[in-house]
Amino acid sequence: AQSVAQPEDQVNVAEGNPLTVKCTYSVSGNPYLFWYVQYPNRGLQFLLKYITGDNLVKGSYGFEAEFNKSQTSFHLKKPSALVSDSALYFCAVTKGDSNYQLIWGAGTKLIIKP
Amino acid sequence: NAGVTQTPKFQVLKTGQSMTLQCAQDMNHNSMYWYRQDPGMGLRLIYYSASEGTTDKGEVPNGYNVSRLNKREFSLRLESAAPSQTSVYFCASRLGRGRSTEAFFGQGTRLTVV
Repeated sequence: AQSVAQPEDQVNVAEGNPLTVKCTYSVSGNPYLFWYVQYPNRGLQFLLKYITGDNLVKGSYGFEAEFNKSQTSFHLKKPSALVSDSALYFCAVTKGDSNYQLIWGAGTKLIIKP
Repeated sequence: NAGVTQTPKFQVLKTGQSMTLQCAQDMNHNSMYWYRQDPGMGLRLIYYSASEGTTDKGEVPNGYNVSRLNKREFSLRLESAAPSQTSVYFCASRLGRGRSTEAFFGQGTRLTVV
């Protein structure tokens, strides 16, 4: 079965430190990968995506993600965390045979402490 | 720009009641989606519409119906609400039919069925 795993329910980071939110996937074919962020009581917002090319993708708010095909991972990173980065982060991957459907991770709550 | 607008934002229903969740987008997007979000489960696709005039079942369609009224509007109907349908519902839209386009989300409808 195709799946996306975000192995950490919650990640705690001190402000100013680097952060990593992990995502691994198991899907058929060559997937496209996405990261979204959800602030409290809001809808999801697109952060960045990997389609092809350079394995390091840069996105909004200083976030970047590294695609690793051999490890089937797409970890979200930021060099220096801000308190305002505290939110729920979702990884999503295109379903192998569909132009429309995405497979979503369960989400990781990121808490940045001052 | 309004983006994706959902109404209502909150709703409490009694078991067996019916209701329609409304969604409209002003970005001229082709495809539209209805998801539900439950704690620890990420997003699950209920129905989607690849283009005006077409609708397809997603991962969890039972108990729901949809209508793609025109290119802008995509509604979700609960004919006989059940407590298991207590959830946060999100509407989303994407520009094209390609797998690489990101989704834009509404702010969500928090539905409680008692």
